[in-house]
Amino acid sequence: NAGVTQTPKFQVLKTGQSMTLQCAQDMNHEYMSWYRQDPGMGLRLIHYSVGAGITDQGEVPNGYNVSRSTTEDFPLRLLSAAPSQTSVYFCASSTPGLAGGTDTQYFGPGTRLTVL
Amino acid sequence: GNSVTQMEGPVTLSEEAFLTINCTYTATGYPSPFWYVQYPGEGLQLLLKATKADDKGSNKGFEATYRKETTSFHLEKGSVQVSDSAVYFCALSAPLGGSYIPTFGRGTSLIVHP
Repeated sequence: NAGVTQTPKFQVLKTGQSMTLQCAQDMNHEYMSWYRQDPGMGLRLIHYSVGAGITDQGEVPNGYNVSRSTTEDFPLRLLSAAPSQTSVYFCASSTPGLAGGTDTQYFGPGTRLTVL
Repeated sequence: GNSVTQMEGPVTLSEEAFLTINCTYTATGYPSPFWYVQYPGEGLQLLLKATKADDKGSNKGFEATYRKETTSFHLEKGSVQVSDSAVYFCALSAPLGGSYIPTFGRGTSLIVHP
């Protein structure tokens, strides 16, 4: 049981390049989400999904696209990279909470992205 | 909307000292609070959680009690170790109109010296 896996671990891009950050989970979790972590800013939600074929925007969605064609995979696409997207990106998965919301989130190890 | 406020760090302690990291929140509905820990170079992982008022979550010597009347979920540990050095995040799951979105505090860095 690998949990949540993310690839790559490190990436350097030039401004304007595009790329896809991969995220996969093997726990059959309904919910998946992408966060970015910047110094002093905590975690900020980019996009999330409550099931295959269903995605929605979080707090900071601009410049990013997602899709959820299977329960297991939730890739994050950077359309045209900008230096402001230099950050550490975390993918997480979870099940619904008993009273709505979400239960424990399981995080991947992160992708450290630098945009020059 | 929902919000989580936790004390700013860094918190610097000597080994075996007592730790408290405060966390308060505002939320509608029936929120569930969590504490996550992030060790250097890693993703977040669950430390402990509570599901109803007056519940006490505990793990690895850490404890937190869900106080609905004060809307708080303060993290405590009686005797910290160097290996507890990490960033601690308070989080809240509280459905907004039935939606999923969880809310995180900004994190508190803990540094424990031998």
